[in-house]
Amino acid sequence: DAKTTQPNSMESNEEEPVHLPCNHSTISGTDYIHWYRQLPSQGPEYVIHGLTSNVNNRMASLAIAEDRKSSTLILHRATLRDAAVYYCILRLIQGAQKLVFGQGTRLTINP
Amino acid sequence: GAVVSQHPSWVICKSGTSVKIECRSLDFQATTMFWYRQFPKQSLMLMATSNEGSKATYEQGVEKDKFLINHASLTLSTLTVTSAHPEDSSFYICSARDPLAGVNEQFFGPGTRLTVL
Repeated sequence: DAKTTQPNSMESNEEEPVHLPCNHSTISGTDYIHWYRQLPSQGPEYVIHGLTSNVNNRMASLAIAEDRKSSTLILHRATLRDAAVYYCILRLIQGAQKLVFGQGTRLTINP
Repeated sequence: GAVVSQHPSWVICKSGTSVKIECRSLDFQATTMFWYRQFPKQSLMLMATSNEGSKATYEQGVEKDKFLINHASLTLSTLTVTSAHPEDSSFYICSARDPLAGVNEQFFGPGTRLTVL
């Protein structure tokens, strides 16, 4: 499985945008970029995914570099409920659908 | 959205006993479910992939005789921790894929916290 690298922790203020980076320099053309987050003592929840183009949904935006070697999850207006561990995961388009989690980024939101 | 439940949410058992954890997809049929383990302050570690009607596929280093997985129906997978020991204490999480929703999203259960005394 291709590896992702994320900062261990980040901090932001409530109602400000948050940019969570992820490096995946060994990504292949058949890898989707997925983001999940895990709130304390809960199972992870899906945030967003993309392949080549930038993506937006109600939770966040995903900006993918042109060479696909990095991506950024953008929370446009952070709330206290966004405090969680955010995981950037690469998943093959075909074959096994399993997700291999890295260490993730622990996001702290200050009121 | 699709909902996955787990039962129990927490369990305490004595060393040497076996514990069964259930994972259910409540509003969809899941041909594939996944089991993860998470130790405190660590990331999720995939233990096995459970396919309905067939044997589970275990990740390297996971003892299949210790962690028994059964996926007997399209809505239920069970993980049995046999002869549990204190080092098996962990947060166990399952996830399921809804084939009708496409391949891009997995739905996770709320987790089961196992404490072995």
